[in-house]
Amino acid sequence: QVQLVQSGTEVKKPGASVRISCRTSGYRFNTYYVHWIRQSPGQGPEWMGIINPIGGNTTYAQKFQGKVTMTRDTSTSTVYMELRNLRFEDTAVYYCARFRGTGSDLHFDFWGQGTLVTVSS
Amino acid sequence: DIQMTQSPSSLSASVGDRVSVTCRASQIISHYLNWYQQKPGKAPKLLISNAFSLQSGVPSRFSGSVSGTEFTLTISNLQPEDFATYYCQQSYSLPLTFGGGTKMEIK
Repeated sequence: QVQLVQSGTEVKKPGASVRISCRTSGYRFNTYYVHWIRQSPGQGPEWMGIINPIGGNTTYAQKFQGKVTMTRDTSTSTVYMELRNLRFEDTAVYYCARFRGTGSDLHFDFWGQGTLVTVSS
Repeated sequence: DIQMTQSPSSLSASVGDRVSVTCRASQIISHYLNWYQQKPGKAPKLLISNAFSLQSGVPSRFSGSVSGTEFTLTISNLQPEDFATYYCQQSYSLPLTFGGGTKMEIK
């Protein structure tokens, strides 16, 4: 079955970086784009960016350009998201999600379990 | 960026009620609209894609409709497990954007 399994909870100090992994299984890794979405406490989801597993091309939300880097390792079917220069407002749950569909039917069908990142001094 | 304005932000209802949640897009997005359900501590779960395509395994009491740039999620005969937060999300163009959410609570 399709699974996206993320790395565990992180606690970081302001100014630090964090790298979250998302290991995929149950499908051909090269077939679907993977997105990263974050959700701050009590807020709705916020799209961060997308990575194409073929070639590793990325597109980031303007808000995160210069702050986030998404990469992938095809040998382990894993995608990574690094967030730099952490601030208190980066405290959130970070999700990876598989994106699929055709035509106008494009959606997130499988999600990771979420990784809580807490930025605290 | 396409703005998704979702209303109401919260809704109090009883088991057995019929309720509707609305999402208005800031521009035409055709049917590139999805609805998700989220429960505390869990990732969002896809309910409806392409404005009205019910996902496999989702009860038929959930339905979606569209009129222009206004999208509606309707839940008929509310069940206890339906009390959750609901989000719309557009897939028409990057950046993908979500509505602000509707928290459904038991009256």
